[in-house]
Parts: sequence; structure tokens; C-alpha cells
Amino acid sequence: DAKTTQPPSMDCAEGRAANLPCNHSTISGNEYVYWYRQIHSQGPQYIIHGLKNNETNEMASLIITEDRKSSTLILPHATLRDTAVYYCIAHTTWGLAGNQFYFGTGTSLTVIP
Amino acid sequence: DSGVTQTPKHLITATGQRVTLRCSPRSGDLSVYWYQQSLDQGLQFLIQYYNGEERAKGNILERFSAQQFPDLHSELNLSSLELGDSALYFCASSLGIVRRTGELFFGEGSRLTVL
Repeated sequence: DAKTTQPPSMDCAEGRAANLPCNHSTISGNEYVYWYRQIHSQGPQYIIHGLKNNETNEMASLIITEDRKSSTLILPHATLRDTAVYYCIAHTTWGLAGNQFYFGTGTSLTVIP
Repeated sequence: DSGVTQTPKHLITATGQRVTLRCSPRSGDLSVYWYQQSLDQGLQFLIQYYNGEERAKGNILERFSAQQFPDLHSELNLSSLELGDSALYFCASSLGIVRRTGELFFGEGSRLTVL
């Protein structure tokens, strides 16, 4: 898996968009970018993933740069319940057995009232 | 609710003891993963099973072992426990076939405290 780099912490005002950056400059062509989050001591939760196109779902949007060396997770209207550690993972999905994700240290996002 | 069930939720034991953590994956998922999360080390991948067979090993100590049974539930056995084994242990499951979604479903974890 390509190494990913994220800022250790960020703050965001409630109701505003939270933009979480991730650098993955050594990502290979067949590696997807995944985002997970972990709300205090709960099990990590899948948010979104993408290969090269921008993606959107009910939770967030994922913007991947054209050269795929970085990406941004956007939570459009952050709420207090979005306070969590956000993990960016670059990983190849292949083989019969599925995925062994290696989580880094992530970004601790604090949404401020 | 992810559909992954872990028991027990909390466990307190003494050094030198042995414990077993249990995980029931989501219905239909063939792969089970174990992760350890301690305060100073973050989420560490331990081991993965697919349809009863070990598929990948991460930073799992020799004192730890795991298995996946024919009904696909998995157990993580921790022996000769040390204070440093105190952590949250998460189980995750996935469908385990070639696919692009790559989504892991995590349980709520088992919190182990070694005194």
C-alpha cells in the first residue's frame, strides 16, 4: 500500500464544510483511495472510496487530483457527530481474500459548536 | 449496526492468564480480520482468515492465535497476557471476493484490561 500523509488534527465550525486532505504521492495506478472514520473507541466506519473520478455519497464527497497524488474528503455540513478520527488509506483490491487495510494515525477532526 | 458481533465487550484479567475473544461476521461474509488498538500504537492489523483458512498475518505476537470455524465465526486467543496487551480488539468482516468496493465492516470491539 502506498504511504498516506494526513494532518494530525483539524477543527471545523458546525454547519460548515470540513475539508480533510490526504497526500498519497506514491500511489500506484491500481490503488484505490479509501476513507474510514472512527468515533471515539467505536469500530471504524467506511465513508467512501474512489480510484480517479470524484465520488459522492450520502456521507461525503471525495475529490482526487488528476495526478492522483492527493485527495480531499469533504463533509459538506459538519455536525458535532462528525467529530472523529478520519483515516485515508491507499490500497489495491485484488485476490480472493479481500483487503487487509493498514490504518495510519489519521486526522482527528473536532467540530466546534 | 454493522452486523459484526463481538463478545465479550469488556474483559478484565490478570497477567499470565489466557482469554478468548469471539467474532461473528456479517451474514454472507467469508473474510474475518482482527485488529488491535492500543493507546500508543493506533490500529494494528493482526491476522485475516478467509473461509476458514489463514490468508494474511500482520503484527501478531506468537502468544496470540486465531482461527475461523466452519460456521465462519472466529476466535482470537491471547495467552500469557502482559500489561501491554491491554487494548481494544476489533473484528471486521468483508465479502472476501474480488470486488472494487473494499468495504470492511467493523464490530464494536472487545476491551481487554490486563492487571
